[in-house]
Amino acid sequence: RKEVEQDPGPFNVPEGATVAFNCTYSNSASQSFFWYRQDCRKEPKLLMSVYSSGNEDGRFTAQLNRASQYISLLIRDSKLSDSATYLCVVNRGGGFKTIFGAGTRLFVKA
Amino acid sequence: EADIYQTPRYLVIGTGKKITLECSQTMGHDKMYWYQQDPGMELHLIHYSYGVNSTEKGDLSSESTVSRIRTEHFPLTLESARPSHTSQYLCASSAPGNTEAFFGQGTRLTVV
Repeated sequence: RKEVEQDPGPFNVPEGATVAFNCTYSNSASQSFFWYRQDCRKEPKLLMSVYSSGNEDGRFTAQLNRASQYISLLIRDSKLSDSATYLCVVNRGGGFKTIFGAGTRLFVKA
Repeated sequence: EADIYQTPRYLVIGTGKKITLECSQTMGHDKMYWYQQDPGMELHLIHYSYGVNSTEKGDLSSESTVSRIRTEHFPLTLESARPSHTSQYLCASSAPGNTEAFFGQGTRLTVV
């Protein structure tokens, strides 16, 4: 079993749709959590950090459930420009090793 | 924009050649990483470093080697390139603590 597992993709949604991505992690000592976005043939870039209390950045909402070892990302009012691969990222205890999920690809269509 | 740079961006090289992929960052980050990613596939950690003179192998076995003589520089070397080394190599760095990683633009390596 992989240490970080994400929903298999791809997700194909129309513009304006709400889409949710899920991610689970197996190491209970994991200390910090992030969502990254990776465009085709580009490097990953931080989308948002994930805090225990949940956090929102415009159309994006991230949530963390430590008890269930589960992270989610909600995108509201999807735009064409949201089409990308979304990577769930977990820092192990001690914050050193950064583990990337396999990613979930999102296609937003007009 | 992150201040982390990789060169070359693209490289096509013959089997058996020795190559070094360069990675430099100007953010003063102690931690640096090398990831390997095939097209459409996930990132795999192949090397990381806590700081100067510290290097460790990652989760994916790799025939490459790294060095960390200066904080800002973390080169990756393949002594004898093979077609199986064809991939994208991404360098990243992060500050102390549980902070985000910043990535370079990557080097796309093709071994023919």
